Amino acid sequence: AQSVTQPDIHITVSEGASLELRCNYSYGATPYLFWYVQSPGQGLQLLLKYFSGDTLVQGIKGFEAEFKSSQSSFNLRKPSVHWSDAAEYFCAVGARGGGFKTIFGAGTRLFVKA
Amino acid sequence: DAGVTQSPTHLIKTRGQHVTLRCSPISGHKSVSWYQQVLGQGPQFIFQYYEKEERGRGNFPDRFSARQFPNYSSELNVNALLLGDSALYLCASSFRTDPNTEAFFGQGTRLTVV
Repeated sequence: AQSVTQPDIHITVSEGASLELRCNYSYGATPYLFWYVQSPGQGLQLLLKYFSGDTLVQGIKGFEAEFKSSQSSFNLRKPSVHWSDAAEYFCAVGARGGGFKTIFGAGTRLFVKA
Repeated sequence: DAGVTQSPTHLIKTRGQHVTLRCSPISGHKSVSWYQQVLGQGPQFIFQYYEKEERGRGNFPDRFSARQFPNYSSELNVNALLLGDSALYLCASSFRTDPNTEAFFGQGTRLTVV
């Protein structure tokens, strides 16, 4: 069965420090992978996606993610965090089977300290 | 251009009641998906509709139903509400159903069942 695991429930980083959010997935074929961000009380905004090709993908707001098939991982990174990056981050995998659905991880809450 | 719009934004219902949530997709988008996000968890896939036909269904009881109208707007209906149905209900629209198409999320409807 398809699944997504985000091992860290919450992470705290200092403003200006680098960030890495972990994501592991389970999927029987080549996965379609996504990272979304959700600010409090808001919907989801797509940060980046991976379908094929270059395993290092660039997204909006200075985020990037690297697909590692051997580790079934798709970690999100940012070299320098801004206070406005504080939010909930969701990793997701696109699954086929009666249409197309997105399976989300439980999320990682990012706190940014001054 | 308007994004995905959902109504109402907040709703309080009593156990056993029925609720209807509404979603208007981005103009030109023909696919609408519904997700349930319980507090502290990632969104869970409920339904996907495309061209007024159900294309996917998640693991939810028959109390949950949905439909899509000729203008591609959609309704999610939940009968016999339970306390556990309290959640943020998210609607996502996309041009097609395949995974190469980005899904855009609305702000959600916050349903509280008391």
